[in-house]
Amino acid sequence: AQTVTQSQPEMSVQEAETVTLSCTYDTSESDYYLFWYKQPPSRQMILVIRQEAYKQQNATENRFSVNFQKAAKSFSLKISDSQLGDAAMYFCAYRTDNTGKLIFGQGTTLQVKP
Amino acid sequence: ETGVTQTPRHLVMGMTNKKSLKCEQHLGHNAMYWYKQSAKKPLELMFVYSLEERVENNSVPSRFSPECPNSSHLFLHLHTLQPEDSALYLCASSPQLGYETGELFFGEGSRLTVL
Repeated sequence: AQTVTQSQPEMSVQEAETVTLSCTYDTSESDYYLFWYKQPPSRQMILVIRQEAYKQQNATENRFSVNFQKAAKSFSLKISDSQLGDAAMYFCAYRTDNTGKLIFGQGTTLQVKP
Repeated sequence: ETGVTQTPRHLVMGMTNKKSLKCEQHLGHNAMYWYKQSAKKPLELMFVYSLEERVENNSVPSRFSPECPNSSHLFLHLHTLQPEDSALYLCASSPQLGYETGELFFGEGSRLTVL
């Protein structure tokens, strides 16, 4: 069975600095998708960034980028120039089959200090 | 208007009560999902519906009963719950099952407290 592990329950970063959130996963599949979702306090969870496993190039969305290491089954999220609005819980997620089923990690709470 | 709306936002109920959570999506999607979010645990997928047909039921206790009358509405009927069922219940939708990009669109959740 596929599993997703986020080993950092909480992280903090100074405003304008860079922070990296870790995620590892376990699968025997070769084709899959990986995601980072952001859940601000009392607000909707939204997609931050997505990576297709068959793509070697790391995904980037403005200040958000990933370091995808397929062999190591690692998928970390880097947030550059952190802003106060980045404070949220971040979930790493995995999907392989066509049921739409996402498998989530435990989440990492990110605090941004002014 | 948000794409996925959940009501109520907060619910407190006793173990003998019967209540329902409602989810409505205004995105024209065909697949809808219920997830349970408990503190310090991964999100747990509870139910998946595609075109109003249940396609997945992840060993959820029968005290949780889903209903999908049409592709825009999803309910979670609750009865004789236990205190450990207290959690944030998230509804999500996607254009279809197996949507290529895999993105789910979430509601804000219903915070359930069982006394």
